[in-house]
Amino acid sequence: ETGVTQTPRHLVMGMTNKKSLKCEQHLGHNAMYWYKQSAKKPLELMFVYNFKEQTENNSVPSRFSPECPNSSHLFLHLHTLQPEDSALYLCASSQDEGTPTYEQYFGPGTRLTVT
Amino acid sequence: GQNIDQPTEMTATEGAIVQINCTYQTSGFNGLFWYQQHAGEAPTFLSYNVLDGLEEKGRFSSFLSRSKGYSYLLLKELQMKDSASYLCAAMDSNYQLIWGAGTKLIIKP
Repeated sequence: ETGVTQTPRHLVMGMTNKKSLKCEQHLGHNAMYWYKQSAKKPLELMFVYNFKEQTENNSVPSRFSPECPNSSHLFLHLHTLQPEDSALYLCASSQDEGTPTYEQYFGPGTRLTVT
Repeated sequence: GQNIDQPTEMTATEGAIVQINCTYQTSGFNGLFWYQQHAGEAPTFLSYNVLDGLEEKGRFSSFLSRSKGYSYLLLKELQMKDSASYLCAAMDSNYQLIWGAGTKLIIKP
């Protein structure tokens, strides 16, 4: 596997369920990101991890809980979501955080539908 | 506040040239990125500008004017595979990317 992978690619869950999204990067990068992408809206940065330490949490509701056990893996734990949380959730990685010349590499995303 | 503006949708003809504009307002500035995103796929990096001027990369070029808070992406010799959304993102003084909503480019034969 190369690049950034995400599983599952599609997820349908009820508002009372608990599920987790997984991201893995095979690029040797030190920074990983979770984004939310809704139709016709800008990408919303949710969380940033740099060297496994969380450096950003952009006022994300507590029903989203990130976990970064090592520099290659990132999880997003979901519980008691709302229908408005339905969106494409993208994971990205970069060589480092806060270094402008290093572009972010994105995974294909998880299409989440909350019913 | 911080803001990125780009057109929602554009249409162009195969073989032609199209320019996608982006204006930005950020707290500080550390460069301007363009990404391409095909439907159902991951965004992929196209270009990065931090100095004024035009950067050319094959059929794609990107321009930046820091004084005007303005950038554009120029696509030449359009091909059907260029149909995609093009995302503009400016990096602020905290090295955070501020994203536009994307421009959906439709290429017609």
